[in-house]
Amino acid sequence: AQTVTQSQPEMSVQEAETVTLSCTYDTSESDYYLFWYKQPPSRQMILVIRQEAYKQQNATENRFSVNFQKAAKSFSLKISDSQLGDAAMYFCALYAGGTSYGKLTFGQGTILTVHP
Amino acid sequence: DAGITQSPRHKVTETGTPVTLRCHQTENHRYMYWYRQDPGHGLRLIHYSYGVKDTDKGEVSDGYSVSRSKTEDFLLTLESATSSQTSVYFCAIRPLGDLPGGEQYFGPGTRLTVT
Repeated sequence: AQTVTQSQPEMSVQEAETVTLSCTYDTSESDYYLFWYKQPPSRQMILVIRQEAYKQQNATENRFSVNFQKAAKSFSLKISDSQLGDAAMYFCALYAGGTSYGKLTFGQGTILTVHP
Repeated sequence: DAGITQSPRHKVTETGTPVTLRCHQTENHRYMYWYRQDPGHGLRLIHYSYGVKDTDKGEVSDGYSVSRSKTEDFLLTLESATSSQTSVYFCAIRPLGDLPGGEQYFGPGTRLTVT
């Protein structure tokens, strides 16, 4: 079974500052992928970034980057130069390969508040 | 825009009544999923489908059934709604199909309230 844990129910950051959201996971699969999704107040789930477990290089997408620590099973999201539009709920998610039919396991979510 | 719509977007129903939620996609993706979102739990998988008439249970399937009679539509039915099924329901598709990877794209969600 796969598990994903987000231990920070809420985080806050000042506009233009940097914030890091934490995520730990557990899986016995060797082939897996990790994702961060953003859910703004509109409720729409938006894919922010993905990381393939076989890649050592951390993924980046503009102001968003991850710190993928495979041995520690840690997958944190760093948001640089935070903007008011970054305020949202953020979910960490795990896809473990094998015969999982593409199912995702989600963490509990972290609410990010951005202060002007 | 992943071409996914959900209907209805909001619904209030009474305990014991049947409810069907519809997910429609325009791009003929093979894999479709139903999740529910509840505070403190993130999103949890209810049922999924890997083709027409091919469906299976997720981790919170009790009280729910699904059907997929054509590629573009995936229906979620609450046979007899209970207050514990008050939630936001999301449909998702997986464009990569059988290829490794696995990000999913989500519909706009349906807020269901069971009174």
